[in-house]
Amino acid sequence: SYELTQSPSVSVSPGQTARITCSADALPKQYAYWYQQKPGQAPVVVIYKDSERPSGIPERFSGSSSGTTVTLTISGVQAEDEADYYCQSADSSGIVLFGGGTKLTVL
Amino acid sequence: QVQLQESGPGLVKPSETLSLTCTVSGDSIRSYYWSWIRQPPGKGLEWIGYIYSSGNTNYNPSLKSRVTMSVDTSKNQFSLKLNSVTAADTAVYFCARALMVGDLFPDWFDPWGQGTLVTVSS
Repeated sequence: SYELTQSPSVSVSPGQTARITCSADALPKQYAYWYQQKPGQAPVVVIYKDSERPSGIPERFSGSSSGTTVTLTISGVQAEDEADYYCQSADSSGIVLFGGGTKLTVL
Repeated sequence: QVQLQESGPGLVKPSETLSLTCTVSGDSIRSYYWSWIRQPPGKGLEWIGYIYSSGNTNYNPSLKSRVTMSVDTSKNQFSLKLNSVTAADTAVYFCARALMVGDLFPDWFDPWGQGTLVTVSS
């Protein structure tokens, strides 16, 4: 099994671009998924299969992958994007892993 | 659309068994994987395990010795039992549908239930 590492916090001003990274410490890496969680709510997927955006998720959310690092990018951040973001993947035996979460603060 | 709702006791005594049920509405529980995920207060998400509608399971190795999941297709429900609980098991417990990308194992979770707080305390 492996671990997924996220930076604890990211802060941006409204309208700027936020980049949240998630690094795996071992290969091979399966697809990554990103969840947004607002206080008192259940997580909601914002990116699946590294870069696919579910219907209903704003276009400002995008995902990318390079080597063992995946990145969630939020372009033109809005106040409503302030939340915790979690990356998630799985190993080759189906064991699911979550990153530790990144708190996005909109200044 | 699919909706999930967790139910069960909000308070469990140490060393006893935590039991939760997730009721699925809006779609059949058949032909999908279903999962439990928990979140201790102020902390991150931890996957507990998943179960297929046929009863096949896969559990988090760190919890495997204490976890049992089951499914009741007649009631469109699936359940979690976690035995020998301690204060460290205090968390919000979420149920979620687990979706597959490949052919072997589920990969991601959508949708989630609203979650239910279970506190372990005497």
